[in-house]
Amino acid sequence: DSGVTQTPKHLITATGQRVTLRCSPRSGDLSVYWYQQSLDQGLQFLIQYYNGEERAKGNILERFSAQQFPDLHSELNLSSLELGDSALYFCASSVEVAGGRDTQYFGPGTRLTVL
Amino acid sequence: DAKTTQPPSMDCAEGRAANLPCNHSTISGNEYVYWYRQIHSQGPQYIIHGLKNNETNEMASLIITEDRKSSTLILPHATLRDTAVYYCIVTPARGTSYGKLTFGQGTILTVHP
Repeated sequence: DSGVTQTPKHLITATGQRVTLRCSPRSGDLSVYWYQQSLDQGLQFLIQYYNGEERAKGNILERFSAQQFPDLHSELNLSSLELGDSALYFCASSVEVAGGRDTQYFGPGTRLTVL
Repeated sequence: DAKTTQPPSMDCAEGRAANLPCNHSTISGNEYVYWYRQIHSQGPQYIIHGLKNNETNEMASLIITEDRKSSTLILPHATLRDTAVYYCIVTPARGTSYGKLTFGQGTILTVHP
């Protein structure tokens, strides 16, 4: 158990719909990262938030957005869903280490199925 | 980001050491080598990381060559539960790409009874 929690575990929805995925980081971690894992693209970085502010962006679609709240939990919003958005979505968190690398710890993921 | 090259698959007998290689010939001086694994469709699990020196923890050992162009992850006594995809990742230095982990295809390690 990494200490990172994600809800829901599974989500089934239809094309054109909007969903929200939720992530609670490990206690004390200020950074939250979102990754997408699809069969054809592998694990891909989407976006990072640090203490409520967007810090880094990957290949995140304009239909997707995220935010980090004052209590440090994060939500990933996916809208106008397409069949190709079906994937596993992982959240990770880390604590900043001065002068060093921040190890990311991953949650169990949310499996999104778009029908 | 430094690119990594790993063999697509490896086999190992249960109880034996599993040695997973990774090439990262374009690594920069301040970039770390990280290893994660993913069992089935679970979230990636952190294993170990290093900069220059060899590292050991309760899960594995990491051997980094002196020129830092390659590394080897060693699972000293592999068990069936170590069957997973193992990812070698070189992390970017602090900057615009800071924080992003770039996952390649990894190595599928299969541990046999």
